[in-house]
Amino acid sequence: NAGVTQTPKFQVLKTGQSMTLQCAQDMNHEYMSWYRQDPGMGLRLIHYSVGAGITDQGEVPNGYNVSRSTTEDFPLRLLLAAPSQTSVYFCASSRGTGDSPLHFGNGTRLTVT
Amino acid sequence: GESVGLHLPTLSVQEGDNSIINCAYSNSASDYFIWYKQESGKGPQFIIDIRSNMDKRQGQRVTVLLNKTVKHLSLQIAATQPGDSAVYFCAETQFGGQGGKLIFGQGTELSVKP
Repeated sequence: NAGVTQTPKFQVLKTGQSMTLQCAQDMNHEYMSWYRQDPGMGLRLIHYSVGAGITDQGEVPNGYNVSRSTTEDFPLRLLLAAPSQTSVYFCASSRGTGDSPLHFGNGTRLTVT
Repeated sequence: GESVGLHLPTLSVQEGDNSIINCAYSNSASDYFIWYKQESGKGPQFIIDIRSNMDKRQGQRVTVLLNKTVKHLSLQIAATQPGDSAVYFCAETQFGGQGGKLIFGQGTELSVKP
């Protein structure tokens, strides 16, 4: 199994551009989520989904959109990139039950200039 | 506000020694706790978890202890090896059954000296 796969690994954007970070999992997990990791701040939840067709906001949702049309995929869209969105983005998935740990991808390092 | 935090941002140990990484949490409603290891350039990797109805859980070379009275969590690594060098995060769920909606601490960097 590949687990959680994120693409691209690196991306540079100019302020105002838009892009989509891709995330796919092959574990048939119901739950998927996006986190951003900034130096000294740990991981913060952006958006999450408890199943296909269902999404909700996390701690820092502003400037990001998500959709969940299939169980496997959970793309994250940056609508108008800003320098404050420079970060490392991690996608994760889990069975979604109360005692199932998150499995993470290896991240996308995004720089907005 | 509610938070999960670590007492020590960095920890340096000698190879072969035992390591203890601590974590404090503030929400008594949290019912599931997880330790992750993150190596440079990689995503967090699951190490071990514990539910709130347990005080201790052991894995391979790792033990997690939970003290609900003082809201404290620790990760013990036995016979620490150079490959254990990484940043370690504790995380908790604050919403009952939604195991994926985690709140993370800031992390502790473990450095193992050969």
